[in-house]
Amino acid sequence: NAGVTQTPKFRILKIGQSMTLQCTQDMNHNYMYWYRQDPGMGLKLIYYSVGAGITDKGEVPNGYNVSRSTTEDFPLRLELAAPSQTSVYFCASHRREGRYEQYFGPGTRLTVT
Amino acid sequence: ELKVEQNPLFLSMQEGKNYTIYCNYSTTSDRLYWYRQDPGKSLESLFVLLSNGAVKQEGRLMASLDTKARLSTLHITAAVHDLSATYFCAGGSNAGNMLTFGGGTRLMVKP
Repeated sequence: NAGVTQTPKFRILKIGQSMTLQCTQDMNHNYMYWYRQDPGMGLKLIYYSVGAGITDKGEVPNGYNVSRSTTEDFPLRLELAAPSQTSVYFCASHRREGRYEQYFGPGTRLTVT
Repeated sequence: ELKVEQNPLFLSMQEGKNYTIYCNYSTTSDRLYWYRQDPGKSLESLFVLLSNGAVKQEGRLMASLDTKARLSTLHITAAVHDLSATYFCAGGSNAGNMLTFGGGTRLMVKP
């Protein structure tokens, strides 16, 4: 299993541009999450999904959108990028039953200038 | 709304010493997680604590949970340089298992 994969690894955006961060997991996990981590800080939840077709907001959803059309994929869309969205973005997944740990992807480092 | 606070934020210690990182949380949390993060890397799961009094150990790290005090601790025994990293605790909610993270403790172990 590849686990949780994210693309791209790095990206520089200009203010006002848009982009989609990709996240895929091959563990057949029901739950998926997007977090952002600002320098020297803990992670904050942006959006999450408990299954295909179901998404909900986390702590810091403004400026982002998500969709979940399949169990495997959970893309995060940034519209009209702003410098405040400069951060490292982590995708995570988790099974509904059994062990509770969340498995994290390698992260996408995004800079908005 | 769950809030999670860790202390200390930064810890510099000598190899061979013992120390404890503290994680306080504000409201009832169904489970408590500890993660390790190396610079520029993703998060690695260390422990998941599910009930009051839970204690888990892996190598030189031991985590415990006191739900009545809303406190979890990560104890480091006889620290070695390889343990240098940032350690995060996070509280989990039943609904959607959303995690609320503490600010992290940056640990430096000096030879």
